[in-house]
Amino acid sequence: EADIYQTPRYLVIGTGKKITLECSQTMGHDKMYWYQQDPGMELHLIHYSYGVNSTEKGDLSSESTVSRIRTEHFPLTLESARPSHTSQYLCASAGVGEQYFGPGTRLTVT
Amino acid sequence: DAKTTQPPSMDCAEGRAANLPCNHSTISGNEYVYWYRQIHSQGPQYIIHGLKNNETNEMASLIITEDRKSSTLILPHATLRDTAVYYCIVRELYNFNKFYFGSGTKLNVKP
Repeated sequence: EADIYQTPRYLVIGTGKKITLECSQTMGHDKMYWYQQDPGMELHLIHYSYGVNSTEKGDLSSESTVSRIRTEHFPLTLESARPSHTSQYLCASAGVGEQYFGPGTRLTVT
Repeated sequence: DAKTTQPPSMDCAEGRAANLPCNHSTISGNEYVYWYRQIHSQGPQYIIHGLKNNETNEMASLIITEDRKSSTLILPHATLRDTAVYYCIVRELYNFNKFYFGSGTKLNVKP
């Protein structure tokens, strides 16, 4: 069982608000990822990190930003939420091989 | 990384074996085959992976053809809780930013 946590699990917020989605893992993995997934659609990589102070943009362009100050923590921030940001956000971490995913945050921007 | 092709959906009777195919005809020699599943929008769950030998664990078996151009994930005794979208992914072991999930196969296990 993977130890990767995301909070909040569900978030409903108004347009223009700043939000931070939290992701933490206790496995000591260097590599961490953020994916975005709309209902019934594919997962799209939006950010990844190979270690502390390393962040890269993924295949899908996103207005969100990430930081990696500690190995175990990889938060995602939206400075000004918009309805187009409504989606599910999934965090993952990886050691040598497979990725382990958190339960996801379902974000609704009204 | 090699792309994969999977059927969009499959049905399986509860208690029977579910055999999920995946084509990866452009796979290269150092690319592994990974299988994940996603149950109703939860985070994807790792199932199994292999390079060229068949693999088995407590969840499933992975059969890779000798030419490595295709593989089959086998759930030996499917249950209703195995209803999920199953993703076949091909990537190099150390290519950490390339987990392309695609659209997968929706497996419907029916009573």
